Amino acid sequence: NFMLTQPHSVSESPGKTVTISCTRSSGSIASDFVQWFQQRPGSSPTTVIYEDNQRPSGVPDRFSGSIDSSSNSASLTISGLKTEDEADYYCQSYDNTNQIFGGGTKLTVL
Amino acid sequence: EVQLVESGGGLVKPGGSLRLSCAASGFTFSSYTMHWVRQAPGKGLEWVSSISTGSNNIHYADSVKGRFTISRDNAKNSLFLQINSLRAEDSAVYFCVRGQLEYFWGQGTLVTVSS
Repeated sequence: NFMLTQPHSVSESPGKTVTISCTRSSGSIASDFVQWFQQRPGSSPTTVIYEDNQRPSGVPDRFSGSIDSSSNSASLTISGLKTEDEADYYCQSYDNTNQIFGGGTKLTVL
Repeated sequence: EVQLVESGGGLVKPGGSLRLSCAASGFTFSSYTMHWVRQAPGKGLEWVSSISTGSNNIHYADSVKGRFTISRDNAKNSLFLQINSLRAEDSAVYFCVRGQLEYFWGQGTLVTVSS
């Protein structure tokens, strides 16, 4: 199995743009879709990006996802940061049988 | 509206058992792979088990293999997780998750393993 590595924490000011990375340890990041989940304190996770770059209805277009084969990583970019974006963010992908989660990134908007 | 409602969690002694349930509504349950994912207090998300639409493909994390059993009843729109030989490190909120395309999560049920 591969691992997905995320920064432990990031912080940025309201109105700015932040990018959270998710690096796959082995195998190509492009070989399996990546999902991104947002988890606010005390709540269940919700999907903000699925299949690398697809946004569920109801998720603002300030959220975008991408993959970069050169760095073998996926990225979640949030523009026009709002205080409500403060949460934990997890990337996720899968191999043939297992679902693999990144360790999570705590986003602080201050 | 998609809804996943977990139940069956609680306080159990080490070595004990529980059966978690997840009632699904608002979508065609039989068309989706389903997962159980857990989250220990203050920790990240950990995949536990997956089951395909027809129950013919079932997979477990190494940490639970041989102790946990996932199953589903498509006629009753329900997902289950039988958890045996519980250990302290199994203490977590257990989420029922609809897979494929936009993943959808239930609110979770808390399992606490303590003597």
